[in-house]
Amino acid sequence: GQQVMQIPQYQHVQEGEDFTTYCNSSTTLSNIQWYKQRPGGHPVFLIQLVKSGEVKKQKRLTFQFGEAKKNSSLHITATQTTDVGTYFCAGRNAGNMLTFGGGTRLMVKP
Amino acid sequence: DGGITQSPKYLFRKEGQNVTLSCEQNLNHDAMYWYRQDPGQGLRLIYYSQIVNDFQKGDIAEGYSVSREKKESFPLTVTSAQKNPTAFYLCASSYKAYGYTFGSGTRLTVV
Repeated sequence: GQQVMQIPQYQHVQEGEDFTTYCNSSTTLSNIQWYKQRPGGHPVFLIQLVKSGEVKKQKRLTFQFGEAKKNSSLHITATQTTDVGTYFCAGRNAGNMLTFGGGTRLMVKP
Repeated sequence: DGGITQSPKYLFRKEGQNVTLSCEQNLNHDAMYWYRQDPGQGLRLIYYSQIVNDFQKGDIAEGYSVSREKKESFPLTVTSAQKNPTAFYLCASSYKAYGYTFGSGTRLTVV
C-alpha cells in the first residue's frame, strides 16, 4: 500500500533559526496536505498543494510540491516559539485515500 | 459555528468493558474518519465512512466498531477485544478532496 515517510522525526532549533520538514511518498500523489498539531491539541489543516512543482506561502511558511508529485516540503523561516508542534504531511492517491506521514515534532528554544 | 464535537474529552475504561466515543459534525460533510494516535506517534486510521449507512475498515480496525446512521454522527465503540486501547482518539470529517477538519479528541485510559 501507499506509504508516506516524513523526516526528521524530531527537530530542535533556536528561536530565529529556519526549519524544514520533508515528506516522501512511495507512489505518485494527486495532492498533498499539511497539518499542524500543537502539544495537547488536534491536527489543524494548513494547506493543500495540487500541481506539480507548486509553491505556496503563508507568512513565514513555504510549502513545495515536487515535480514528480511524490515529495513535498515545509520550510519555516525564522522560527518563533508559537511554531512549536508536530507537522504532518498527508498524501492523497488516485484512490482518493489520504495517508498521513509520521510527523515532525518541532521544538523551539527561546 | 460549524465544527466537529467529540465527547467525552477524557474517558476511563475498565478491563473487559466496551465504551463508545461520540463524534458529531454540523459541517454537512459526507465523509467521516476515526484515527488513533499514540504518544509521540502519527495518526493511524481505524474506520472511515464516505456516505451514510456505509463504512470501511482502516489499517487498525480490529477491536473497534462504528455506525453511520446519520450524516452528522459517527460513533466509535472500543470493544473488550481491543487489548491496548489507551490512546488519543481523533474524529475528522471532510468535503470531497479538501482538507480534514478534526475534533478536539478523546483521551481513553484503561484502569
